[in-house]
Amino acid sequence: DVKVTQSSRYLVKRTGEKVFLECVQDMDHENMFWYRQDPGLGLRLIYFSYDVKMKEKGDIPEGYSVSREKKERFSLILESASTNQTSMYLCASRTGNSGANVLTFGAGSRLTVL
Amino acid sequence: GEDVEQSLFLSVREGDSSVINCTYTDSSSTYLYWYKQEPGAGLQLLTYIFSNMDMKQDQRLTVLLNKKDKHLSLRIADTQTGDSAIYFCAESKTGSYIPTFGRGTSLIVHP
Repeated sequence: DVKVTQSSRYLVKRTGEKVFLECVQDMDHENMFWYRQDPGLGLRLIYFSYDVKMKEKGDIPEGYSVSREKKERFSLILESASTNQTSMYLCASRTGNSGANVLTFGAGSRLTVL
Repeated sequence: GEDVEQSLFLSVREGDSSVINCTYTDSSSTYLYWYKQEPGAGLQLLTYIFSNMDMKQDQRLTVLLNKKDKHLSLRIADTQTGDSAIYFCAESKTGSYIPTFGRGTSLIVHP
């Protein structure tokens, strides 16, 4: 069964801490995405990556950075966590082939910043 | 206005049909999607429809597309408590890697 795995389901961090959210996919997908999900706001795209070592800003990149050193792994980094970054973070991937943009999502990482 | 709009909540009785509606603004949308998110989980693709189709059926699910009005709907027949979830409508265009999601409709199924 193909999957996207987010290693941390629940995290509690303090303001100012550096936070790493890891995402690994086993489908050899070229494209990977990080979204955050907040009640009433739906999904907002933070960053995406077309391929290894490539990254593009999404709609809300401020306060975040990403790393894609290997095809299967896409990391989201909060350099200095703040309380307004408390949220559910969803990673997704898709094949780079043209056609339907079907995303495969991980189960999510719920981050609380105190 | 937003690119993809859907109402935030829908409440139905178990056994009834549910209809979740979505409108989108971009007439060049090529594919339209419905994703389901169960509590505590990520999104899972339910179905998608190509823009040259007007209907797609898969067991209890029926997707209707009115391209002229830019309106997409998802009908769930014989709704069960296990159908309680957030349903996201999304659209994408040829050549774009990134689908645009609506805010999601929370479907609440009560006995």
